[in-house]
Amino acid sequence: DAGVTQSPTHLIKTRGQQVTLRCSPKSGHDTVSWYQQALGQGPQFIFQYYEEEERQRGNFPDRFSGHQFPNYSSELNVNALLLGDSALYLCASSARQGDGNTIYFGEGSWLTVV
Amino acid sequence: GNSVTQMEGPVTLSEEAFLTINCTYTATGYPSLFWYVQYPGEGLQLLLKATKADDKGSNKGFEATYRKETTSFHLEKGSVQVSDSAVYFCALSQTGGFKTIFGAGTRLFVKA
Repeated sequence: DAGVTQSPTHLIKTRGQQVTLRCSPKSGHDTVSWYQQALGQGPQFIFQYYEEEERQRGNFPDRFSGHQFPNYSSELNVNALLLGDSALYLCASSARQGDGNTIYFGEGSWLTVV
Repeated sequence: GNSVTQMEGPVTLSEEAFLTINCTYTATGYPSLFWYVQYPGEGLQLLLKATKADDKGSNKGFEATYRKETTSFHLEKGSVQVSDSAVYFCALSQTGGFKTIFGAGTRLFVKA
């Protein structure tokens, strides 16, 4: 049973560039959430996708956008990168029907902005 | 709004010592409560959960009881091992499966 998979695992970008991170949910899950975890802090909710629509959004600027595909996989896009966007980006999946409150995380994508 | 507060770390213990990491929450209604663990360089793993008052979640020797009257969900383990060294996050989620809110994390070091 495949868990949540994310790619790439590490990447380095320059200020002002754009980045796309990818996530495949755990088998049987239809909901994908994205979190940003800065060094030494807890994960902060960016947004959640279900049925290919953004369902809820945290306190992040419009530079952060996402997409969910028919196969439930998802992308996180960040435009006009800032140094402060350097963080671990975590994807989490859950099943809307049933135990929708419990989310399962991937290993994350480490983004460094220089 | 909803929030989670957990004790600041780091917590340093000797092997086989008793562990308590305190967690309190603020939320309306009856949220589900969770403990996640993060090992160095990895993502978060679900450790245990409880979905209603007085429920006890348990896994790998760790336990936590959902206390509605004190809005707490303290993590305990009777005898820690070096392999338990990690960062532990307390979290809550409201019914409906939207965002999960995390505490700041508590780093645990266990010495041999």
